Amino acid sequence: SAVISQKPSRDICQRGTSLTIQCQVDSQVTMMFWYRQQPGQSLTLIATANQGSEATYESGFVIDKFPISRPNLTFSTLTVSNMSPEDSSIYLCSVDKAREGHGYTFGSGTRLTVV
Amino acid sequence: AQSVTQLGSHVSVSEGALVLLRCNYSSSVPPYLFWYVQYPNQGLQLLLKYTSAATLVKGINGFEAEFKKSETSFHLTKPSAHMSDAAEYFCAVSDSGNTPLVFGKGTRLSVIA
Repeated sequence: SAVISQKPSRDICQRGTSLTIQCQVDSQVTMMFWYRQQPGQSLTLIATANQGSEATYESGFVIDKFPISRPNLTFSTLTVSNMSPEDSSIYLCSVDKAREGHGYTFGSGTRLTVV
Repeated sequence: AQSVTQLGSHVSVSEGALVLLRCNYSSSVPPYLFWYVQYPNQGLQLLLKYTSAATLVKGINGFEAEFKKSETSFHLTKPSAHMSDAAEYFCAVSDSGNTPLVFGKGTRLSVIA
């Protein structure tokens, strides 16, 4: 199955600043998915990132707040912009290798605390 | 659109007792179904998955789940709970490859000595 390196693993940020989270996959994948897990909650999809096109955002998430880059088939970034304490969450990236029988793989997550 | 309902946000069992975590799905096409476990302050770990092969799926740590199309269910079971099974469990669904997983709200499993 695919291996994802996600960084940073955690960060404490001041409100009003931005943080960029990186995910590097050890093989080429078509789609990458970004999720948010708020404290004590389940995972909510933020957006789907396809190489060479703009990311597709889910309801309640906008590009100005969560810009995503997907410069190639193994790498993506998610930026959390103009942060507020409500953005304190775990952010995870994921890829799908289901067609190869491996299933979905998740990065280890970025635990973000906004103060 | 797919959706997942996990009945019971918190389940408590005694050590050695049967574990049953319920998951019902909604999907317009044959689904892929997954169970993940998340231990405190850790990432997601895949327990098992159903991808249209055998309806009874065996996973890691003694867990298994049965896909029942007539009941649109994919309940997770383990014959004998262990203290180390205490964690958050998430059921998830997708309708095909290269589409994002949709997660249930999760069930927190507590194991009482």
